[in-house]
Amino acid sequence: KQEVTQIPAALSVPEGENLVLNCSFTDSAIYNLQWFRQDPGKGLTSLLLIQSSQREQTSGRLNASLDKSSGRSTLYIAASQPGDSATYLCAVLKAAGNKLTFGGGTRVLVKP
Amino acid sequence: GAVVSQHPSWVICKSGTSVKIECRSLDFQATTMFWYRQFPKQSLMLMATSNEGSKATYEQGVEKDKFLINHASLTLSTLTVTSAHPEDSSFYICSARVSGLRDTQYFGPGTRLTVL
Repeated sequence: KQEVTQIPAALSVPEGENLVLNCSFTDSAIYNLQWFRQDPGKGLTSLLLIQSSQREQTSGRLNASLDKSSGRSTLYIAASQPGDSATYLCAVLKAAGNKLTFGGGTRVLVKP
Repeated sequence: GAVVSQHPSWVICKSGTSVKIECRSLDFQATTMFWYRQFPKQSLMLMATSNEGSKATYEQGVEKDKFLINHASLTLSTLTVTSAHPEDSSFYICSARVSGLRDTQYFGPGTRLTVL
């Protein structure tokens, strides 16, 4: 059974610092890995999707890396802003089947 | 494009009543929709996978008679919480997968259910 873990569970940084969010998964047989953002009481916004054959994806200040063999992904957010405050979730899609397995999330607070 | 809506966005009901939540794909066809449940400060847990025109597949531990799912068309899936109890209070989120695109799921904004 796939298990996804996110560390840390919560993170507080001053504005301008870079953020590093970690995600690990137990079964390396994945189709892809996705990072989402969730604001309080809201749905999910997809940030980045990395296919299993890729090593990283970038979008603006966001960069996500994937090391499938070691079961790890890292989301980097450069020059954090208060608007980046949210919960960030990673999810993996199994190589077989169509179920997403989510990590517990990292709650980020960027202080002005 | 690729917008998923949920209705209602929030609902408060009395214990023992049934509540229906709708999930619609507004501008695309979705042969598969997923229903998730999220407790406060916890992650999303998949409840069931809904396929258009067939019975839903429930995850282990999810009571199919408690959470009725109907996927009657390519753009609409409904989740009915029957005889709701306070422990059913949660945030319910649906997602819809674009037909033919396995790795693309679009998430709805969620429905907050509070059972008194």
